Amino acid sequence: GESVGLHLPTLSVQEGDNSIINCAYSNSASDYFIWYKQESGKGPQFIIDIRSNMDKRQGQRVTVLLNKTVKHLSLQIAATQPGDSAVYFCAENQAGTALIFGKGTTLSVSS
Amino acid sequence: DGGITQSPKYLFRKEGQNVTLSCEQNLNHDAMYWYRQDPGQGLRLIYYSQIVNDFQKGDIAEGYSVSREKKESFPLTVTSAQKNPTAFYLCASSISQRINQPQHFGDGTRLSIL
Repeated sequence: GESVGLHLPTLSVQEGDNSIINCAYSNSASDYFIWYKQESGKGPQFIIDIRSNMDKRQGQRVTVLLNKTVKHLSLQIAATQPGDSAVYFCAENQAGTALIFGKGTTLSVSS
Repeated sequence: DGGITQSPKYLFRKEGQNVTLSCEQNLNHDAMYWYRQDPGQGLRLIYYSQIVNDFQKGDIAEGYSVSREKKESFPLTVTSAQKNPTAFYLCASSISQRINQPQHFGDGTRLSIL
């Protein structure tokens, strides 16, 4: 079936740097995308979402960019903090279908 | 506080035994989901339910069963037919599967074989 993948399984940054986590998706019919953060031993936590009629959306210290031409999604975290260390998943779907999750990128922040 | 509660946090299964994982939500969400997560992997869908008394198989339903008798509850049974049940099980809910809204997750149950 269709799947969502991530470019890098791990990303290491210094505290205070900006982080960029990338995700490629394969289903051109997908119209909704979500980023989740998962800390060890916990369930995924919603960070931010974006619909296909947008190419950018900002939250608190996070920005999601959507490039439908190349089917690429990214999550930018500004001024990364040690508490941002976690596994980040992107997910995609169309309304009425199940979410499809990528395999995740592990973000490690060193101080 | 509104949220999703999964219990127990840790569960051990003996050979040939069925075990049931609990998932309760007080978000008044119509849709509920069960996922399995293996180390270093993404989430794979086991079963989902769009409304009370209805549920559908996901990608890896074999060896699992569910029920949805109440809106707030969606228990998952891992049967003895599931030969590799060791995993982290996550329950989620959303307002509806028919509209684009995020799923909210519980904190999971870790199932191991004795």
